[in-house]
Amino acid sequence: GENVEQHPSTLSVQEGDSAVIKCTYSDSASNYFPWYKQELGKRPQLIIDIRSNVGEKKDQRIAVTLNKTAKHFSLHITETQPEDSAVYFCAPKSSGGSNYKLTFGKGTLLTVNP
Amino acid sequence: DTGVSQDPRHKITKRGQNVTFRCDPISEHNRLYWYRQTLGQGPEFLTYFQNEAQLEKSRLLSDRFSAERPKGSFSTLEIQRTEQGDSAMYLCASRSSEGSPLHFGNGTRLTVT
Repeated sequence: GENVEQHPSTLSVQEGDSAVIKCTYSDSASNYFPWYKQELGKRPQLIIDIRSNVGEKKDQRIAVTLNKTAKHFSLHITETQPEDSAVYFCAPKSSGGSNYKLTFGKGTLLTVNP
Repeated sequence: DTGVSQDPRHKITKRGQNVTFRCDPISEHNRLYWYRQTLGQGPEFLTYFQNEAQLEKSRLLSDRFSAERPKGSFSTLEIQRTEQGDSAMYLCASRSSEGSPLHFGNGTRLTVT
């Protein structure tokens, strides 16, 4: 957790294309790496997560890849659909001591054009 | 599973007034978080409870903010002497264990006039 950055801040793709969002973090003790989706006016909802003993996880059109050495993890969405349009947040969490919080990035606004 | 419940959904108050929000987590979740979110930003951590113990609090949090979870179930967040900069969506979230997903409520939108 701690310093968390997401890139890009906005992403526009055509329906059917793939989208990739990258999250970099500073805390080497981070061991839990979730991605949340927030539609306009709604609460954030978990879409996929990965733990530090795994390098990649896939769930249908969504995948997350983790590079602990480089301290970044990425969200991959394939065959994008208009309903994928939302803001996506990464929220890495440290395993260390009294650190309980998930630190959210500033978000990536994904727009899928029909 | 009825989800995380927050009350009220909206609150409009005048600057200088005190406000209190309530959060009812998912019943079996002993871990409870408060976050604040402003337009175009990610949720910002405020504080964390494990059962009734407040184990972490943001260093950036003003002393006008206080939170409680007296019986380890519902939680309240109070803001004293509200300022216009306090206007935001206040989100509560809960989880059952260290590695489990965080479930958010629908939030309380505060507007300070």
